Amino acid sequence: AQSVTQLGSHVSVSEGALVLLRCNYSSSVPPYLFWYVQYPNQGLQLLLKYTSAATLVKGINGFEAEFKKSETSFHLTKPSAHMSDAAEYFCAVTTYIIQGAQKLVFGQGTRLTINP
Amino acid sequence: DTGVSQDPRHKITKRGQNVTFRCDPISEHNRLYWYRQTLGQGPEFLTYFQNEAQLEKSRLLSDRFSAERPKGSFSTLEIQRTEQGDSAMYLCASSFTVAGTDTQYFGPGTRLTVL
Repeated sequence: AQSVTQLGSHVSVSEGALVLLRCNYSSSVPPYLFWYVQYPNQGLQLLLKYTSAATLVKGINGFEAEFKKSETSFHLTKPSAHMSDAAEYFCAVTTYIIQGAQKLVFGQGTRLTINP
Repeated sequence: DTGVSQDPRHKITKRGQNVTFRCDPISEHNRLYWYRQTLGQGPEFLTYFQNEAQLEKSRLLSDRFSAERPKGSFSTLEIQRTEQGDSAMYLCASSFTVAGTDTQYFGPGTRLTVL
């Protein structure tokens, strides 16, 4: 069964520093991978997705992620953190259910804190 | 494209009461999903609709839970005889498969508190 592990439930960085959020996946088939962001008391917003077209994926708000099959990883990065990046980040992998539909299997989430 | 909407945003109820949540998906999306998110956890899949047909249900969805999507438009999720363990954020997502990828867009969620 497909699964995702996010390393580090809390990450704290200084404003302007590199952001690195780690995600490793387990999948028996070529995966589709996603990163979502969740602000307090809100739903999930799609940051970016990997669909096998390119291993380096660029998303919104300056985030990007690199798919590395040999490491089964899909880490999320941003060169320079901004205060508005403080939120919960979820990595997810799809798993087929029925008639082409794909449910999302999420990791536990990583809470990102930005220090001024 | 107004996005996925959910109503209500917050619901406080007493144990044993019934509650119903509504989700309005993005209009051209034929797939609709419900997820549940408990505090400090990632969302977990509950059920899936393709148009009006409920095609998949998780084991998390006990007999007290029922979901509908009449006419393939909005969806409702009802919980009967609520328990404190039902307290969670209930998230709805909709999608339209393009090139094999099912990209799901989420609503703001309904936060349920059972006292």
